Amino acid sequence: RKEVEQDPGPFNVPEGATVAFNCTYSNSASQSFFWYRQDCRKEPKLLMSVYSSGNEDGRFTAQLNRASQYISLLIRDSKLSDSATYLCVVNGRGNTPLVFGKGTRLSVIA
Amino acid sequence: DTEVTQTPKHLVMGMTNKKSLKCEQHMGHRAMYWYKQKAKKPPELMFVYSYEKLSINESVPSRFSPECPNSSLLNLHLHALQPEDSALYLCASSQVSNQETQYFGPGTRLLVL
Repeated sequence: RKEVEQDPGPFNVPEGATVAFNCTYSNSASQSFFWYRQDCRKEPKLLMSVYSSGNEDGRFTAQLNRASQYISLLIRDSKLSDSATYLCVVNGRGNTPLVFGKGTRLSVIA
Repeated sequence: DTEVTQTPKHLVMGMTNKKSLKCEQHMGHRAMYWYKQKAKKPPELMFVYSYEKLSINESVPSRFSPECPNSSLLNLHLHALQPEDSALYLCASSQVSNQETQYFGPGTRLLVL
């Protein structure tokens, strides 16, 4: 099983739609979880950290399910500007740094 | 200020050239990273520096040589690269631990001819 797995997409959704991405991780001892956003030919940028109790930032909601070892990202009222690749990031085994999933591509269409 | 800067933005080099990539952060972060990213792939970790000491080398070929002159600067020296080394090279930093939020620079887009 890969350390961090994501559905690569693409997810093509109309403006205003709600879309959800899931990500599974293999290391049950993982403590740090993040969603990053990467636009084409740009660097990854932190979208939000994911906390045990779940957290919300405007239209974005992140959830963590430790029992099933997955994290999710929900985007409500999608905007054209949300079109990007969303990277799930989890801390790795032992002392290894963060592990990046392969990313989920989202296209929001007018 | 969560800014990491990188120079140059673009670099074209031949296989016999020697060049260097530079990265700088002024956030007081003590962990710094080099990543390589190919198109449509996630960033791939190359090196980690912690408190200015190399702590992780992900079996990177010796034609890539990192250097951390001080706590704010990170260099990547390039020599005798291959065309398959063409990629986006990203620098990142985090506060202390290599498991914390990482902040990325804009990257250097490298083309090896």
